[in-house]
Amino acid sequence: DQQVKQNSPSLSVQEGRISILNCDYTNSMFDYFLWYKKYPAEGPTFLISISSIKDKNEDGRFTVFLNKSAKHLSLHIVPSQPGDSAVYFCAASEGGNMLTFGGGTRLMVKP
Amino acid sequence: NAGVMQNPRHLVRRRGQEARLRCSPMKGHSHVYWYRQLPEEGLKFMVYLQKENIIDESGMPKERFSAEFPKEGPSILRIQQVVRGDSAAYFCASSPLAQKMNTEAFFGQGTRLTVV
Repeated sequence: DQQVKQNSPSLSVQEGRISILNCDYTNSMFDYFLWYKKYPAEGPTFLISISSIKDKNEDGRFTVFLNKSAKHLSLHIVPSQPGDSAVYFCAASEGGNMLTFGGGTRLMVKP
Repeated sequence: NAGVMQNPRHLVRRRGQEARLRCSPMKGHSHVYWYRQLPEEGLKFMVYLQKENIIDESGMPKERFSAEFPKEGPSILRIQQVVRGDSAAYFCASSPLAQKMNTEAFFGQGTRLTVV
């Protein structure tokens, strides 16, 4: 039973356009959500997060939206750059002791 | 200020051998988490340790896997009698305080275990 799901295994976007990565969860006890970026042969790197008491958090080109009623969050990257090409993982936490990860979405930004 | 250090980066073991994966947390961090990433999957939580204590091992397979975080030295994830299904990337993360995996944790670069 996957508590965090990323239904799109891959996404291809043109440079300069918006990338939207989606994530759904089932556990209503999750109180914190994070996005990680991962390059091949490297560890995940923290990108942006959002607490369950908020519905939006913005950091430069990255914005995370949280819809608690739909148990859905999304990561918007605008404008997308070729250097953004990586695998993006959505993760959720209940109380901060461990993270539950989605399966990842491979983003390819074409020049 | 070095980050989370994992070694070796790559490890090849024959079926039935033992694998030892090491993780040195960031300076000042006393909480360590181990995750495993199987091919084409997301990371799965395995175990959470504090110095000399296992706090949560709910994600650890019941047999052949063990973890420790001694008072001195790195955290060790030990896999006995490895099988092909153990082939994966194993990531360690550390944080300075309890219940901070969501806000103040950093991941190492991982150890890629291949069982042949």
